[in-house]
Amino acid sequence: EVQLLESGGGLVQPGGSLRLSCAASGFTFSSYAMSWVRQAPGRGLEWVSAISGSGGSTYYADSVKGRFTISRDNSKNTLYLQMSSLRAEDTAVYYCAKHSSSWYTSKNRFDPWGQGTLVTVSS
Amino acid sequence: QSVLTQPPSVSGAPGQRVTISCTGSSSNIGTGYDVHWYQQLPGTAPKLLIYGNINRPSGVPDRFSGSKSDTSASLAITGLQAEDEADYYCQSYDSSLSVVFGGGTKLTVL
Repeated sequence: EVQLLESGGGLVQPGGSLRLSCAASGFTFSSYAMSWVRQAPGRGLEWVSAISGSGGSTYYADSVKGRFTISRDNSKNTLYLQMSSLRAEDTAVYYCAKHSSSWYTSKNRFDPWGQGTLVTVSS
Repeated sequence: QSVLTQPPSVSGAPGQRVTISCTGSSSNIGTGYDVHWYQQLPGTAPKLLIYGNINRPSGVPDRFSGSKSDTSASLAITGLQAEDEADYYCQSYDSSLSVVFGGGTKLTVL
């Protein structure tokens, strides 16, 4: 069974940093691109970042470009999101999600999703 | 403001048919990019419901169907059941190289 388990969320002050992790199991991790998608409280879904299966290509939403860094360790079957210069508007549940191929393409779909980890940016 | 536009809410009685629209533009759905749909039950993570415009993953009832035309797509649910009450999101891809989502539609079963 494919499983994704996020961790690392919590309360952080504005301007601070946080690193999220997503532990994957049940599939060949390196064969699939992965994404982070967030959902602010009571709001809709917002794609944040994606990384190819090899880790050689990364993509970011304009809202996080220059502040967030996505990476992966295929030897540990783990996806990461390093977040810095955090703002109140970054407060959200962050989900990791598996793509349907090793590349970030226009046919991207997300299946499955992890259960999410809550990041709260507040003083 | 989401790139893809969905109605904020729809409702229907048990057994009825409802549709949820997803309107994009020439830079996303209109370019021919696939549309996918997700169901998010209260307090849970989204779940893939329809992929590639019209395809259902295994385990998804055939009461759920998708369609696409020009710059928009639709999700139809027939034989509405109480367990279908959830938020539904469409997703596609934009020429700016970004994944884009609709704002979500809350389905209420009356």
